[in-house]
Amino acid sequence: KQEVTQIPAALSVPEGENLVLNCSFTDSAIYNLQWFRQDPGKGLTSLLLIQSSQREQTSGRLNASLDKSSGRSTLYIAASQPGDSATYLCAVDNNAGNMLTFGGGTRLMVKP
Amino acid sequence: GAVVSQHPSWVICKSGTSVKIECRSLDFQATTMFWYRQFPKQSLMLMATSNEGSKATYEQGVEKDKFLINHASLTLSTLTVTSAHPEDSSFYICSATDQQGIYSPLHFGNGTRLTVT
Repeated sequence: KQEVTQIPAALSVPEGENLVLNCSFTDSAIYNLQWFRQDPGKGLTSLLLIQSSQREQTSGRLNASLDKSSGRSTLYIAASQPGDSATYLCAVDNNAGNMLTFGGGTRLMVKP
Repeated sequence: GAVVSQHPSWVICKSGTSVKIECRSLDFQATTMFWYRQFPKQSLMLMATSNEGSKATYEQGVEKDKFLINHASLTLSTLTVTSAHPEDSSFYICSATDQQGIYSPLHFGNGTRLTVT
């Protein structure tokens, strides 16, 4: 059974810092991995999707990497802003059916 | 872009009553919809997968008689929490996709906050 772990569970940084969020998974036979953002009481916003054959994806200040063999992914946020404050979730798809297994999330607070 | 509308965004009901949550795909045909539940400070947990016109597939530990899922059309899936109890209070999120395979994007609703008193 796939298990997804995110470290740290919470993170508070001053504005402008570059930061890294970590995601690890136990079953490396994945089809893709996604990073989501969730604002309090809201649904999910998809940030980046990395296919199993890819090593990284970039969107603006966000860069996600994937190392399937070691079961790890990182989300890099450059020049963090207060508007980046949210919970970031990673999720893996093991069977190409979009039945995702989510990590516990990292609650990010960027202080002005 | 593709949009998934979930309604209501929040609902308060009394213990023992039933509550229906709707999930609609607004500009695409959702062949598959997923229902997730999120307890406070916890991550999302998949409850069930529904394909249009067929019975939903429930994850282990999810009572299918309590959480009734209907996916009668390609744009609408409903989750009915029957005989709700306070422990059913949670955040319910649906997602939908119009394709199969590793490149298929998932679109999420904004969630429904259910409080059972």
